[in-house]
Amino acid sequence: DAGVIQSPRHEVTEMGQEVTLRCKPISGHNSLFWYRQTMMRGLELLIYFNNNVPIDDSGMPEDRFSAKMPNASFSTLKIQPSEPRDSAVYFCASSLLQGTHEQYFGPGTRLTVT
Amino acid sequence: GQQLNQSPQSMFIQEGEDVSMNCTSSSIFNTWLWYKQDPGEGPVLLIALYKAGELTSNGRLTAQFGITRKDSFLNISASIPSDVGIYFCAGLGRKTSYDKVIFGPGTSLSVIP
Repeated sequence: DAGVIQSPRHEVTEMGQEVTLRCKPISGHNSLFWYRQTMMRGLELLIYFNNNVPIDDSGMPEDRFSAKMPNASFSTLKIQPSEPRDSAVYFCASSLLQGTHEQYFGPGTRLTVT
Repeated sequence: GQQLNQSPQSMFIQEGEDVSMNCTSSSIFNTWLWYKQDPGEGPVLLIALYKAGELTSNGRLTAQFGITRKDSFLNISASIPSDVGIYFCAGLGRKTSYDKVIFGPGTSLSVIP
């Protein structure tokens, strides 16, 4: 069974450009999470969806960040315009909300904004 | 807000040694999760704990859910080079209308062959 799939694995872009990160959760999971990981701040929860509905977006840094989940098998995290301080590894994770709350992570997207 | 502390922050051990690390909080958690992250990869779930006092093993790994519900421990026996990585604890607490998983800052483990 495929795990969480993220694309691209690496993204290098110039400041001011729009960046879109993609995630396909594990089939049957009804919760999806976007995290950002940096050396300074560790693993930070950006936004959490349950049944495709955003439940908690308090971790989204600012209006330049937006996330969508148009259906149960796809989510995007968009940064527009991007800034050098957005450089980080972005992880998507999914879980079954009802039950164990065990989250399964994708391989991450390493974003570099120059 | 709810926060988790992990200690030690980093460890350097000889291959074959046993390892102990812990995770503490000032808040009560209902579930504890332990993850390992290899370089360049996403965190992978190692062990999940659901009841206070619970002791669970996964191969050479053993984790315990503290009786106070405010801490958890992870032990690795007879370490090997592939144990290298960052170990994160995560706790499931209560935030308003839903349960939120909080991650600790991680313990970095280095194993010297």
